[in-house]
Amino acid sequence: NAGVTQTPKFRILKIGQSMTLQCAQDMNHNYMYWYRQDPGMGLKLIYYSVGAGITDKGEVPNGYNVSRSTTEDFPLRLELAAPSQTSVYFCASSWGSPGWLGYEQYFGPGTRLTVT
Amino acid sequence: AQSVTQPDIHITVSEGASLELRCNYSYGATPYLFWYVQSPGQGLQLLLKYFSGDTLVQGIKGFEAEFKRSQSSFNLRKPSVHWSDAAEYFCAVEVASGTYKYIFGTGTRLKVLA
Repeated sequence: NAGVTQTPKFRILKIGQSMTLQCAQDMNHNYMYWYRQDPGMGLKLIYYSVGAGITDKGEVPNGYNVSRSTTEDFPLRLELAAPSQTSVYFCASSWGSPGWLGYEQYFGPGTRLTVT
Repeated sequence: AQSVTQPDIHITVSEGASLELRCNYSYGATPYLFWYVQSPGQGLQLLLKYFSGDTLVQGIKGFEAEFKRSQSSFNLRKPSVHWSDAAEYFCAVEVASGTYKYIFGTGTRLKVLA
């Protein structure tokens, strides 16, 4: 299994540009998550999904959109990039909720995004 | 509001020395608690977790953590640190109250001296 894969690894965007960060998992996990990690900070949840067709906002959803048309894929869309979105983005997946059902989250290697 | 505090931003220990990383949480009920490790340029890996029961939990790579309700703490320990343990460590809390919420601490960066 490849686990959780993310593309691209690095990207530089100009202010106002749009892009999609790709995330895929091959473990047949129901739950998928997007986090951002800013320097010196912990991870903050952007959006999550509990299954295909179901998504919900996390702690910091503004400026982002997601979709979950398949179990495997969970892309994150930035519509109008802003410098405040410069961060490292991590995708994760789990079979069920880590707390409620005790399942571990598996993380991808991250995408480093710079907006200038 | 729920929060997770890791008071130590950086910790340096010598190889072979013992290690304790602190984590305090703020939450009304008993939370679900986790410790993750992040090696440079990598995603996070789960070290251990606590849901209920025995307050001393064992994890991978020789780590353990103890949940102390009275102190709202979940400190991570290792009796003898190896150079390969140098990484960033994150404590996290899952809040199971309505909207799903998973809160990470700001992390502790561990440096190991040979």
